Amino acid sequence: GAVVSQHPSRVICKSGTSVKIECRSLDFQATTMFWYRQFPKQSLMLMATSNEGSKATYEQGVEKDKFLINHASLTLSTLTVTSAHPEDSSFYICSARDRGPKGWDTEAFFGQGTRLTVV
Amino acid sequence: GDSVTQMEGPVTLSEEAFLTINCTYTATGYPSLFWYVQYPGEGLQLLLKATKADDKGSNKGFEATYRKETTSFHLEKGSVQVSDSAVYFCALSDRHLSGSRLTFGEGTQLTVNP
Repeated sequence: GAVVSQHPSRVICKSGTSVKIECRSLDFQATTMFWYRQFPKQSLMLMATSNEGSKATYEQGVEKDKFLINHASLTLSTLTVTSAHPEDSSFYICSARDRGPKGWDTEAFFGQGTRLTVV
Repeated sequence: GDSVTQMEGPVTLSEEAFLTINCTYTATGYPSLFWYVQYPGEGLQLLLKATKADDKGSNKGFEATYRKETTSFHLEKGSVQVSDSAVYFCALSDRHLSGSRLTFGEGTQLTVNP
């Protein structure tokens, strides 16, 4: 099946620094990618929807200036956590859907996730 | 808005026991329904899906049937294995939503003991 590669898998950074997480679709073109944050009790929160060549759409309550999303090509989206603080520590997961004639019933492929720890 | 409700976990079973994880949904239109599995420290993998009423999705011994009349998509497996220990997410994709995003349930932690 299709593969979505997320990098890095783990990162530890100092408070106040920025961290970039990459999400690549390796063998398909993903016009839309999604960024999720997973909290300790496992629920997934959609942060934003990333569209190739246009601005990302953020969910209510997600700070656009703190979580910068860039989707410059059909195979790459990046999430940058700016001026990270300990409360940003979490598991971040990206997802991409294959372009198809009926986008709502195609499979979403997920990256392996990134464990961010801010110290 | 759309929502997915899963039975609360954690669920702990002995090997070879029967598994049911309940999932119900609310949505406008005719959603597609999915079950995803997440193994420790990893992202999500599609387990099975159903795109219309009465469809049955199946994979690796797991099954779920799209029940429009009860707005449900319960996950079942006749005989679980230790390797099935993971978190299971029910999700829907509503064709009326732009961007074709998924709405997830809260997830159910399953632990299977030998």
